Amino acid sequence: SSELTQDPAVSVALGQTVRITCQGDSLRSYYASWYQQKPGQAPVLVIYGKNNRPSGIPDRFSGSSSGNTASLTITGAQAEDEADYYCNSRDSSGNPNWVFGGGTKLTVL
Amino acid sequence: QVQLQESGPGLVKPSQTLSLTCTVSGGSISSGSYYWSWIRQPAGKGLEWIGRIYTSGSTNYNPSLKSRVTISVDTSKNQFSLKLSSVTAADTAVYYCARGPMSGFGYWGQGTLVTVSS
Repeated sequence: SSELTQDPAVSVALGQTVRITCQGDSLRSYYASWYQQKPGQAPVLVIYGKNNRPSGIPDRFSGSSSGNTASLTITGAQAEDEADYYCNSRDSSGNPNWVFGGGTKLTVL
Repeated sequence: QVQLQESGPGLVKPSQTLSLTCTVSGGSISSGSYYWSWIRQPAGKGLEWIGRIYTSGSTNYNPSLKSRVTISVDTSKNQFSLKLSSVTAADTAVYYCARGPMSGFGYWGQGTLVTVSS
């Protein structure tokens, strides 16, 4: 089992806002990064740090954190946002180890 | 633009050692303060961080794999490598190399499928 917990599946209507969450003790101390993965492709970094988007990532993607929960929000979801989303952060051991959440399958209706 | 490319055998026999290499192009592996990681994903499952290396050779490994993993770097070839010993069917996965994890894993290879089977 992962130290970072994600809901297995979430759905959103086209153009609406969706929040994907990631829970874990380590998130009280470390920021999460978020990855989008489409079938047959490598993951793509969409959010890192407090709320940073790599070049080329649309501004409808944003990140936030509160307590032991990190969130990825997509404001105005598009059909092309349908994908698996993974969070990633340090684990809670205090050692330099990284863990991924189990992933959330986002369906855009 | 940094690009990463995994290479190595796609089929490994049980109990043997899996060996993969990641070639970095578009920049020197030694430039900047970057770590370089290996990550894997069994079919239909989630991502698992295997370990990372700094260009100085300093490494950190996933505790669950530490006894079987070795990551090394060859700065003269702009490559870093993964060795995973005593493999079983549970090690069958797509293996990715990536730059990170500091500031996220910002660059990934396309991934290479490694199947463990006799």
